[in-house]
Amino acid sequence: DVKVTQSSRYLVKRTGEKVFLECVQDMDHENMFWYRQDPGLGLRLIYFSYDVKMKEKGDIPEGYSVSREKKERFSLILESASTNQTSMYLCASKAGGAADTQYFGPGTRLTVL
Amino acid sequence: KQEVTQIPAALSVPEGENLVLNCSFTDSAIYNLQWFRQDPGKGLTSLLLIQSSQREQTSGRLNASLDKSSGRSTLYIAASQPGDSATYLCAVSSGNTPLVFGKGTRLSVIA
Repeated sequence: DVKVTQSSRYLVKRTGEKVFLECVQDMDHENMFWYRQDPGLGLRLIYFSYDVKMKEKGDIPEGYSVSREKKERFSLILESASTNQTSMYLCASKAGGAADTQYFGPGTRLTVL
Repeated sequence: KQEVTQIPAALSVPEGENLVLNCSFTDSAIYNLQWFRQDPGKGLTSLLLIQSSQREQTSGRLNASLDKSSGRSTLYIAASQPGDSATYLCAVSSGNTPLVFGKGTRLSVIA
């Protein structure tokens, strides 16, 4: 079974702090994704990566950066957290084929005070 | 730009009823379509994936159909149960690009 894990289920941070959200997958997937989910707005893609050390901007990359130093790990970084980044953050991974299923982690509920 | 719409946004049905959830997309040049389930505060779980060359996929009480030319998919749930209560999302892929998601239908099955 594919497993995608996220470092925290719940996180509370203060405005201006640097925040790291970690995602690890155990199926040697090439593709990894970071989304945020907000009521009424649905899932929005922040960044994705097709390979190690490779990243692509999604629909809402502003205020975020990512790192993929190893194939299994994809980190989302909030350089200076703001209250409008309070959200549910979801990580996903997918094998390289276009026909493959995307697998999601359990999510991290981030609150920025 | 691909857009995915799910109607209705919320649905409440009595237990035992058969129901249909709808998904439409604007660009018919898709590679596949996927249905997901999300329980409150949790991640998404894949239910069914339909390739563009297929018309439908079945898993247990779930049946998903795809009409690519008209830009529509339906998720049919037979004999609904309270445990089916969740948000159901559809997403389309246009090749090796990120999925584009609808906003979901929140389903409540009342015992």
